Amino acid sequence: NAGVMQNPRHLVRRRGQEARLRCSPMKGHSHVYWYRQLPEEGLKFMVYLQKENIIDESGMPKERFSAEFPKEGPSILRIQQVVRGDSAAYFCASSPEAGRTYGYTFGSGTRLTVV
Amino acid sequence: LAKTTQPISMDSYEGQEVNITCSHNNIATNDYITWYQQFPSQGPRFIIQGYKTKVTNEVASLFIPADRKSSTLSLPRVSLSDTAVYYCLVGDYRGSQGNLIFGKGTKLSVKP
Repeated sequence: NAGVMQNPRHLVRRRGQEARLRCSPMKGHSHVYWYRQLPEEGLKFMVYLQKENIIDESGMPKERFSAEFPKEGPSILRIQQVVRGDSAAYFCASSPEAGRTYGYTFGSGTRLTVV
Repeated sequence: LAKTTQPISMDSYEGQEVNITCSHNNIATNDYITWYQQFPSQGPRFIIQGYKTKVTNEVASLFIPADRKSSTLSLPRVSLSDTAVYYCLVGDYRGSQGNLIFGKGTKLSVKP
């Protein structure tokens, strides 16, 4: 039973390019969450999705960032026209329900570096 | 979601018991208390979750007093591999409040 799979592990983009981060939740998990972590900081919530629905995007920047969780396939976090400030570790988590009993399972993250 | 306060860092030695206390004065009736562990370059890992009194699993114990305004994560006989950041989270994670709120956590350093 594989855990939450994120790829790529490391991603380098030039300023102005697009970054696509993928997250495959654990089998049987229908809730996906994206978090961003800056060096020496805690994780900051970005967006919460269920299959084909965005439930809470209160942590997403208003521009350039979008997320989806299609009926088939992984969840995608997309960052358009990246800037140096987007450099961070992006973590995805999944849960079978909204986390009360089971906790959330996190992936190993994607480290985005914008040069 | 209730705000949490925990020490920024703690030092310990191998074989000692470590207790990390978290304050959450504004905890709500439906809130649970959850602790996560994070190693460098990895995602957080769920350790333990509780609502009141004491919860124990194979990794840790969680002590919650009757007023629930604080909680203590207890790690028995720590080893070097327990060096990590520990996060205390408080919230009701149902429905639209599904997001976890992480603070800066407690950086635990275990020395030989």
